[in-house]
Amino acid sequence: GAVVSQHPSRVICKSGTSVKIECRSLDFQATTMFWYRQFPKQSLMLMATSNEGSKATYEQGVEKDKFLINHASLTLSTLTVTSAHPEDSSFYICSAITGLADLHTQYFGPGTRLTVL
Amino acid sequence: GQNIDQPTEMTATEGAIVQINCTYQTSGFNGLFWYQQHAGEAPTFLSYNVLDGLEEKGRFSSFLSRSKGYSYLLLKELQMKDSASYLCAVLDSNYQLIWGAGTKLIIKP
Repeated sequence: GAVVSQHPSRVICKSGTSVKIECRSLDFQATTMFWYRQFPKQSLMLMATSNEGSKATYEQGVEKDKFLINHASLTLSTLTVTSAHPEDSSFYICSAITGLADLHTQYFGPGTRLTVL
Repeated sequence: GQNIDQPTEMTATEGAIVQINCTYQTSGFNGLFWYQQHAGEAPTFLSYNVLDGLEEKGRFSSFLSRSKGYSYLLLKELQMKDSASYLCAVLDSNYQLIWGAGTKLIIKP
């Protein structure tokens, strides 16, 4: 099956710094990637939808200036958490699809555990 | 508003059968998913139902009733490795995935 990787898998940073998380589709081209956040014992919350070559679409309540998303190629999307604070500590997961016709088939990355001290 | 309901936690015995229910109220329906998620890991796809009825896949089966807004995931011959959270998610009319909070399944020997 299709493989999606995320890097780093785990990151610890100081409050006020920025952290970049990469999401790569390894063996297919992903026109659309999704970024989720999951707090402990809660379900996934969609943060934004990232389309290659265009601006990301953010969900209500997600600050686009704080969570910068760049989908520069068909295999790479990045999420940058700017000026991170302890409340941003969470499990960030990306997923990718080959196209809207394949929306029912999302391939998930392994996730990135962010801890902000 | 859109809503997905599933039990928070369930306990079952190794070798037994367990049914995890999911009810949903969404704006439109384009399919229902079940995912398995082990602690600290991303979800893994289990099943996708878009038509009414039962879909069987090995030890796991998923059922859908669109008229009732209801689905269940049936796990047979439970193994210790089945201990995980099981997430129900619905694809709405805007093709957005609406996620349930997940059911934590605890398997006891």
